[in-house]
This record gives sequence, C-alpha cells and structure tokens, in this order.
Amino acid sequence: DAGVIQSPRHEVTEMGQEVTLRCKPISGHDYLFWYRQTMMRGLELLIYFNNNVPIDDSGMPEDRFSAKMPNASFSTLKIQPSEPRDSAVYFCASNVLGSHNEQFFGPGTRLTVL
Amino acid sequence: DQQVKQNSPSLSVQEGRISILNCDYTNSMFDYFLWYKKYPAEGPTFLISISSIKDKNEDGRFTVFLNKSAKHLSLHIVPSQPGDSAVYFCAASANYGGSQGNLIFGKGTKLSVKP
Repeated sequence: DAGVIQSPRHEVTEMGQEVTLRCKPISGHDYLFWYRQTMMRGLELLIYFNNNVPIDDSGMPEDRFSAKMPNASFSTLKIQPSEPRDSAVYFCASNVLGSHNEQFFGPGTRLTVL
Repeated sequence: DQQVKQNSPSLSVQEGRISILNCDYTNSMFDYFLWYKKYPAEGPTFLISISSIKDKNEDGRFTVFLNKSAKHLSLHIVPSQPGDSAVYFCAASANYGGSQGNLIFGKGTKLSVKP
C-alpha cells in the first residue's frame, strides 16, 4: 500500500490567493482527518470525515477554510483567501473504526503564504 | 488550554542510555493514549499505545507507562539509538461507547540521541 498521499508537498503563494490541498487516504479506511501543525499551536485537528461525511469541523479556524470529500479516495482542504498566518504544515491522516485511533499520516504539505 | 502537555521541548541522551519522555493530561475522560514519532519532512508515525485499563505496555525497546491518578504517561526507550532521534508526540482520545474519538496531541518533544 502506498500509504496516505498528499499533494502538493510544498506550496508557496501570495496573500489573497486560493490554495487547495489534496489527500488520498489509504484504501479501505473510512475515517479521514485534516491537521495543521504550527510552532505555536502544535498539531491541531481541523476537521474529520467518516464515510465521506464531515463529522466534526469545530477545528476549522475560519470561514476561509473549507474541506470536502467527494468520494472515499479523495479529499481537499481549501483556503480562500489565504493569509500569511495560514502558513503551516498541513497533514492528512486516515484510519478505520476499531483501530484504536491509530491514524496513518501523510507526509504533509508545507504551505507558505507571503 | 492544553489538554495534553509535553513540558520538555527537547531531550538529549547518549546512545545506549535510557530516554524518558513525559506527557501530562488534564481530561479524565481520556481512555486511550498513543505515542507518535516524527522525522523531518515526514508525517507522524504510530509508535506504541496504551489503554486506560492498563498501566504498562511494552514493545521491544519501547515501553509506555500510565499513571491515571497522576494523569501522567511516559515513554521509555532502552537502549536509545541514534535512529531514535526524532520528535515524539503524545496523543490522547476519549472513545465514547466505542465510537471514534478525536486525537488530542501534545506539542512534541525533540529527542536527540548522540553517538
């Protein structure tokens, strides 16, 4: 198995631009999580899906952030418009119910907003 | 307010010695705890976990201890190896009635194992 796949690995954009991060979970996993890692706040959960349905989006910082999961093998996290404070590493993770929350993480997308 | 705290941002240990990484939590509803290891430019990878019904879990060189009364857990690595140098994250979850609970992560401890 290829593991969780994220793209792009690095993204540099200018303030005000739209940014779209992509994730392909491990096949057969029915939970998908989006995290953000910053020096100040550490690793924080933004939103998670179960069977493509958003379950908890309370971690999404603002309306500028949105996430979708149109099918079991693909999810996007969009920021529009982006701001410099959105600069962080964004991780996607997936797992299956009954795995005792052992989540499998992708390599992350490092986002820099200038 | 942080529900999971790793108060030591960094730890340096000599190869062959024991590494002890600590983690404190505040939410008494947490019933499952995990340790993740993260190398630069990679995502965190699961290392070891423990249920709240146990006080110790061992896997090779890695042992996790849980002290529920103190709301404290620790990860012991014996013997430490240079390849263990990474950032270690403590995480906790509260699984209500078997449903999937969110993972709450600490901010991590950077372990450096010197040859």
